[in-house]
Amino acid sequence: GNSVTQMEGPVTLSEEAFLTINCTYTATGYPSLFWYVQYPGEGLQLLLKATKADDKGSNKGFEATYRKETTSFHLEKGSVQVSDSAVYFCALTPIIQGAQKLVFGQGTRLTINP
Amino acid sequence: GAVVSQHPSRVICKSGTSVKIECRSLDFQATTMFWYRQFPKKSLMLMATSNEGSKATYEQGVEKDKFLINHASLTLSTLTVTSAHPEDSSFYICSALPGQGYGYTFGSGTRLTVV
Repeated sequence: GNSVTQMEGPVTLSEEAFLTINCTYTATGYPSLFWYVQYPGEGLQLLLKATKADDKGSNKGFEATYRKETTSFHLEKGSVQVSDSAVYFCALTPIIQGAQKLVFGQGTRLTINP
Repeated sequence: GAVVSQHPSRVICKSGTSVKIECRSLDFQATTMFWYRQFPKKSLMLMATSNEGSKATYEQGVEKDKFLINHASLTLSTLTVTSAHPEDSSFYICSALPGQGYGYTFGSGTRLTVV
């Protein structure tokens, strides 16, 4: 079946540190891959996405590259800020089942200390 | 644009009572909305797809009679947790697809605690 596995949190870093949140997936075919972010008290927001192999999604200094050979979509940021503290979800839409069903990872809580 | 409003954000109820959660699309029409549930330290799991004017489509293992979904208008879907029990305590979140270019838009979620 289709599934997403994220690195287990919580993750705590100091400001300006380098961030990596690992995400691997299992899916049939070529799914679209997403990172969503949930700030405290708010709904999930799309952070970035990639729809085919070797695509790189980027937004707000975050990047993730669709790696089909390793079935991964790791989230990275070179220098994190306190305002990046949130819960991050990796997700996919399995092509075969249609575009409407998002499959999520369990989420990774990130805390950035000043 | 493309905002989904979910209410309430938190609710505490007694065992055996029912709780209604509302999901509204504020500036677009949503023929389809999605209801998710998140257990502590677990993924968001799709519970059901809500279809305006017709029956919801439930995922395998989700009790239809326990989680009643109504999508009576193009801007409102409701999830009612009937005869709630402590094991129903969870984080519930709704989502919609506003259309081309927006992607999935999520509500802010509802933290349900059944005591």
